Amino acid sequence: QQQVKQSPQSLIVQKGGISIINCAYENTAFDYFPWYQQFPGKGPALLIAIRPDVSEKKEGRFTISFNKSAKQFSLHIMDSQPGDSATYFCAASKITSGSRLTFGEGTQLTVNP
Amino acid sequence: GAGVSQTPSNKVTEKGKYVELRCDPISGHTALYWYRQSLGQGPEFLIYFQGTGAADDSGLPNDRFFAVRPEGSVSTLKIQRTERGDSAVYLCASSLTYRDRSNEQFFGPGTRLTVL
Repeated sequence: QQQVKQSPQSLIVQKGGISIINCAYENTAFDYFPWYQQFPGKGPALLIAIRPDVSEKKEGRFTISFNKSAKQFSLHIMDSQPGDSATYFCAASKITSGSRLTFGEGTQLTVNP
Repeated sequence: GAGVSQTPSNKVTEKGKYVELRCDPISGHTALYWYRQSLGQGPEFLIYFQGTGAADDSGLPNDRFFAVRPEGSVSTLKIQRTERGDSAVYLCASSLTYRDRSNEQFFGPGTRLTVL
């Protein structure tokens, strides 16, 4: 019941296109849903995060859509750029202090110029 | 300011040997986490420290794995009798822990452990 499932495993998008990555979770106790971006040889870096009291959060070209009833959330990258090529991980946790993150399997995004 | 640092960046060892991996968190962060990332997978939680004490060690795979944080800052992950299956990138993260703040965790670059 701690799993977070992520799809697709890999994604190829043309420059300027929209990249969409989806995640589903099982544990209804989760109340914090971040997306992390990871480049080769680097640790994950927080991109954007959402709490379940809102259905959407936008920061620049990045938007999280959240569907609490379906236990699903997604990342949309607008106007995708070659520099966005990286591995993206969704995650979930409880917001109580010090909660562990449960990560999805990751999506390798390639944005072609 | 400086981010989370981890040493060594790479460690190659032989099966059965003992290894220590070090993590230096962001100054002032009271929470420290260890995760393990296998090739092509998302990070998996190992252990979490709040201050000096291990608040949650339920992710440690077996008793060959142990971690300490004696002064509430630097942490060391210790692996005894290493096995080939221990080969992975070991990530450390730290965060501020205030009741009303989000649980933003800042990750280090990781230590790539290879057990031959």
